Amino acid sequence: GAVVSQHPSWVICKSGTSVKIECRSLDFQATTMFWYRQFPKQSLMLMATSNEGSKATYEQGVEKDKFLINHASLTLSTLTVTSAHPEDSSFYICSARDGKQGDNGEQYFGPGTRLTVT
Amino acid sequence: GENVEQHPSTLSVQEGDSAVIKCTYSDSASNYFPWYKQELGKGPQLIIDIRSNVGEKKDQRIAVTLNKTAKHFSLHITETQPEDSAVYFCAASNWLSGGYQKVTFGIGTKLQVIP
Repeated sequence: GAVVSQHPSWVICKSGTSVKIECRSLDFQATTMFWYRQFPKQSLMLMATSNEGSKATYEQGVEKDKFLINHASLTLSTLTVTSAHPEDSSFYICSARDGKQGDNGEQYFGPGTRLTVT
Repeated sequence: GENVEQHPSTLSVQEGDSAVIKCTYSDSASNYFPWYKQELGKGPQLIIDIRSNVGEKKDQRIAVTLNKTAKHFSLHITETQPEDSAVYFCAASNWLSGGYQKVTFGIGTKLQVIP
């Protein structure tokens, strides 16, 4: 149980275009989903936290108009990188909390999406 | 905000030996401390976690200790095997005003188990 999937697993796009990444909780309802960004050989940096049906909370320094997050259902959150530039190339990872587990804190991570902007 | 420091950044051990990774955190409000294993090109996988009301937790070859007073926690892997080779991240989590949880990660430790 507690599986989180991401799609696509990797994507290459041209500079100036937009890319959408999907994050799905497959066997549980995720009241909260998190989006992280990871550069090579570095740690995970939280970009934003989203609760189902409400606006995402972005971390300081993360442009909300550039990284659009939608959490329209309890099993799906999307991250759209708008007007992508080469510096947006990174490994994007989502995680999800099981709403039934209440306050115990455990997050389940997706396998990540490798974005390369040319 | 929370600051998590992790060391060492790299660690090489002989197969069968033990490996220890240490982390410190700054926010006394943090109450949940997970450890993740990340293999190349994959997302992190939770391997063990500990909450602030316990001092030690063990799961087979993996154990975690927590010293809440000193604000540090450690991961211990015994009888290491080549498949333990990966990057390990510690993290500290607390609940912020507004009711949302934030997890802060350490910088990671690249563990290499030499056969």
